[in-house]
Amino acid sequence: GDSVTQMEGPVTLSEEAFLTINCTYTATGYPSLFWYVQYPGEGLQLLLKATKADDKGSNKGFEATYRKETTSFHLEKGSVQVSDSAVYFCALSDVSNTGKLIFGQGTTLQVKP
Amino acid sequence: EAQVTQNPRYLITVTGKKLTVTCSQNMNHEYMSWYRQDPGLGLRQIYYSMNVEVTDKGDVPEGYKVSRKEKRNFPLILESPSPNQTSLYFCASSLGGGNGNTIYFGEGSWLTVV
Repeated sequence: GDSVTQMEGPVTLSEEAFLTINCTYTATGYPSLFWYVQYPGEGLQLLLKATKADDKGSNKGFEATYRKETTSFHLEKGSVQVSDSAVYFCALSDVSNTGKLIFGQGTTLQVKP
Repeated sequence: EAQVTQNPRYLITVTGKKLTVTCSQNMNHEYMSWYRQDPGLGLRQIYYSMNVEVTDKGDVPEGYKVSRKEKRNFPLILESPSPNQTSLYFCASSLGGGNGNTIYFGEGSWLTVV
């Protein structure tokens, strides 16, 4: 079945460092890909998405490109801030008509001043 | 403001005592679903609903029930909770179920079963 694999966390960075969180997927068909963020004590928020190959999603300085050839959707940010500390989830949409997202296990990011 | 609202946000209950977690959305969305989040497993879908009176099992439906009597509401029912249902639960909604629809999540409900 479809699946998403994220890099193990936690990831600890200093403020202004470059961030990459790796995400690879296995899927039949052509799913859409998402990054969700969960700040401490809060629910899930959509960070960005891409709906087809070579699309780049971007928001709040974060970017991810849908790479069909490598089945990847890595999250990047050029300069992280303390306020970016959160858990990040990569997900793909099930191509059947269920409205289901298949999530990776989540990666915790901690940014230190 | 467009939102998905869950209640309660935090609950400690005892094994076997029936409970209901409510979910309501104000976006006139067709699709609603429930997920549970467990460490190292990400989120897994419990049940989903494509419209009023239409529900179906997700990946981990055992021990749960749902109903969809109105478009805006989708309660999650635990008839006889057990400790392995201790988890963080999220309700979600989207305009449609097709690929590419953005799914909106509630703030989560922390449930502890002792």
